[in-house]
Amino acid sequence: EVQLVESGGGLVQPGGSLRLSCVASGFIFRVSDMHWVRQAPGKGLEFVAGISSEGKSTSYATSVKGRFTVSRDNSKNTVFLQMGSLKTEDTATYYCTRWRGVLAGIDYWGQGTLVTVSS
Amino acid sequence: QSVLTQPPSVSGTPGQRVTISCSGSGSNIGTHSVNWYQQLPGSAPKLLIFNNWQRSSGVPDRFSGSKSGTSASLAISGLQSEDEADYYCAAYDDSLKGVLFGGGTKLTAL
Repeated sequence: EVQLVESGGGLVQPGGSLRLSCVASGFIFRVSDMHWVRQAPGKGLEFVAGISSEGKSTSYATSVKGRFTVSRDNSKNTVFLQMGSLKTEDTATYYCTRWRGVLAGIDYWGQGTLVTVSS
Repeated sequence: QSVLTQPPSVSGTPGQRVTISCSGSGSNIGTHSVNWYQQLPGSAPKLLIFNNWQRSSGVPDRFSGSKSGTSASLAISGLQSEDEADYYCAAYDDSLKGVLFGGGTKLTAL
């Protein structure tokens, strides 16, 4: 069974930093591309960042470029999202997802971790 | 384009057929496959349809997807109360270099 378990969310002040983690199981992590997707309260889904299977290629939404960094440790089946210079508009549930390419898209989602940016 | 265009809400009576549209452009739907996701209240999204029309494992055949040009649609036949949820379309976008989502459609079974 595929499982994606996020952690690291919480309350942080504007301008602060936070690191999210996602531990994967039930599939061969090292050959899988991974994406982070977020959902602000009561709003729709938004792509945040993506990373290729070996970590050599990354992509970011314009809204987070230069502030967020996605990385992975294939020896620990874990993908990370380092978030910095946080803004109130970054408040959202952050989902870790498996990206299966342009045909299959995102097929599995974690349960999400809530990040609240507030003073 | 920041999001794919979906109607904010649709509704239908039990047993009825409803459709949800999704409009994009040449850099996303016009070039790449469309996926559809169902999000029940308080839950993570779940894959319903991938590659425009293929149903994910365990998804009833009441759900079907189609694509033409830069638009796609999700059809739900024999509407059931348990189908009440938010539905999102998604497609890879060449400009974003990531997946682009629709704004979401809230389905209500009257």
